[in-house]
Amino acid sequence: QKEVEQDPGPLSVPEGAIVSLNCTYSNSAFQYFMWYRQYSRKGPELLMYTYSSGNKEDGRFTAQVDKSSKYISLFIRDSQPSDSATYLCAMSGTGNQFYFGTGTSLTVIP
Amino acid sequence: GAGVSQSPSNKVTEKGKDVELRCDPISGHTALYWYRQSLGQGLEFLIYFQGNSAPDKSGLPSDRFSAERTGGSVSTLTIQRTQQEDSAVYLCASSSDRGRIDEQFFGPGTRLTVL
Repeated sequence: QKEVEQDPGPLSVPEGAIVSLNCTYSNSAFQYFMWYRQYSRKGPELLMYTYSSGNKEDGRFTAQVDKSSKYISLFIRDSQPSDSATYLCAMSGTGNQFYFGTGTSLTVIP
Repeated sequence: GAGVSQSPSNKVTEKGKDVELRCDPISGHTALYWYRQSLGQGLEFLIYFQGNSAPDKSGLPSDRFSAERTGGSVSTLTIQRTQQEDSAVYLCASSSDRGRIDEQFFGPGTRLTVL
């Protein structure tokens, strides 16, 4: 079983839609939960991170962590064509390694 | 710009040849990570440096892979006797402190193709 599972999509939504991206994980020692955005031919860039459980909001983006279910989500409100990218979840515990999901490819259609 | 840079951006090589991939981290960043991104596989951790030392090499897939970092700055990932399954994008990231997740920045990657 992989440490982190993420549906690769692809996901295609109309402009203005609410997008929900999710990951599940198996390691209960994970404490940091991150979401990265990766445009084609570019390196990932950090969108948001959360420590432990709870919600975090930043503009149109909301990250949720449910440690009891080992489930994390990223919501994008009022999606824009510029949001079209691959979104990667990542997690870490007290060690040096970051464990990444496979990424979900998102296309927002104008 | 002052971001993480990697070279070359693309590398095509023949099976069995050795390749060297270079990463220039952000100035002053002490932590440096190498990852491999294969199609449909996500990012796979390879190695972590703190300064010039590599306390965690657990992700290196075989003894054909090695990495070094000199002067606490530039790092080189070397793949010997390349195989077709080594084809992937190799990403480097640096941060000022392992604990500062919001200060970890990725380079654009080196796309390696082994024919």
